[in-house]
Amino acid sequence: IAGITQAPTSQILAAGRRMTLRCTQDMRHNAMYWYRQDLGLGLRLIHYSNTAGTTGKGEVPDGYSVSRANTDDFPLTLASAVPSQTSVYFCASSDSTSGGTDTQYFGPGTRLTVL
Amino acid sequence: GQNIDQPTEMTATEGAIVQINCTYQTSGFNGLFWYQQHAGEAPTFLSYNVLDGLEEKGRFSSFLSRSKGYSYLLLKELQMKDSASYLCAVMDSNYQLIWGAGTKLIIKP
Repeated sequence: IAGITQAPTSQILAAGRRMTLRCTQDMRHNAMYWYRQDLGLGLRLIHYSNTAGTTGKGEVPDGYSVSRANTDDFPLTLASAVPSQTSVYFCASSDSTSGGTDTQYFGPGTRLTVL
Repeated sequence: GQNIDQPTEMTATEGAIVQINCTYQTSGFNGLFWYQQHAGEAPTFLSYNVLDGLEEKGRFSSFLSRSKGYSYLLLKELQMKDSASYLCAVMDSNYQLIWGAGTKLIIKP
């Protein structure tokens, strides 16, 4: 693989169900991010991780959790999905080491519908 | 609060030039990014400005004025494949990206 992959591509989920969105990168980037994108709004940061073993909350973290057990993987979990979590979810990564531009590179996205 | 403003939609003609503006108010500034996003696809990086002035990259150029909180993306010799949304994002003092809602650019033959 090259870059960032996300799975699944799309999913329809019943409200109340638990769901994990997967994200894997092979660029050895230290930082990873989860965003949601809704029509008419800018990308909104859900959670981020500056390095393996650490995570932080973004602008809209409620209802979501993440883990960063290693450099490559950054799964996003919805513990009990609600219809307002219907969105397109993008994972991104960046090399935020000293001197870098912190340019973020995005995965192809997961389109999630919660009914 | 933090705010990024850009026009919702613009229309231009194939072969012409278009300028997409972005104004921002953020807590701190560590660079401004432009991304292109085709419908149903992921955003892809176009340009990065951290110092005032113009950065040119082929048909695309990006300008920054930090004192005015202003940037623009200039697209020359427009092609039909340039039809996409263009996203402006500013990196704030916490090194988090604050995103505008994007400008949908429609290219007509």
